[in-house]
Amino acid sequence: DQQVKQNSPSLSVQEGRISILNCDYTNSMFDYFLWYKKYPAEGPTFLISISSIKDKNEDGRFTVFLNKSAKHLSLHIVPSQPGDSAVYFCSPHSGGSNYKLTFGKGTLLTVNP
Amino acid sequence: KAGVTQTPRYLIKTRGQQVTLSCSPISGHRSVSWYQQTPGQGLQFLFEYFSETQRNKGNFPGRFSGRQFSNSRSEMNVSTLELGDSALYLCASSPEGTGYGYTFGSGTRLTVV
Repeated sequence: DQQVKQNSPSLSVQEGRISILNCDYTNSMFDYFLWYKKYPAEGPTFLISISSIKDKNEDGRFTVFLNKSAKHLSLHIVPSQPGDSAVYFCSPHSGGSNYKLTFGKGTLLTVNP
Repeated sequence: KAGVTQTPRYLIKTRGQQVTLSCSPISGHRSVSWYQQTPGQGLQFLFEYFSETQRNKGNFPGRFSGRQFSNSRSEMNVSTLELGDSALYLCASSPEGTGYGYTFGSGTRLTVV
């Protein structure tokens, strides 16, 4: 039962361009959504989040968009930088999540200089 | 403020052996959860502990177990190791385990040969 899907295993973009990472979910009870960034041999680090009462949250170069009717969220990185190259995990959450994080399988972003 | 510390960082074990991994959470965090990362399955939840009590367990065989001590430090144990147990094991701590404020350690890379 895969509640979170990140259908693009990898994405390659040029430095300075926009990176768009997508995430789809099935559980309508999710009420906030987290994005984590992970470098090899390190643990994930929290990047940005959005509550279900919003449809957009912006933090510097990172913006997350939420479309509740489509059960879809996306992470936009503008402009992309080589240091953004990492695996990005989408992690929806709800009050009934029973003390665990649920992750998509991740998207490997490569930003080419 | 010290982060989440996992030891050891790397481990090589033989099939059939057992292994114990350790996690020291951020001071003041009472929730510790464990995740397994494999290339094909992404990040999968193993279990969560809060004040020495396991509150939730993921869909893993009974060979995987854990515990939490009174100082919130946690250990996980895998008995009768199988080749498929080779993975990066990540520990995350948070104040209450409710979704926000998770901080991950750098993980323990376990290789079973």
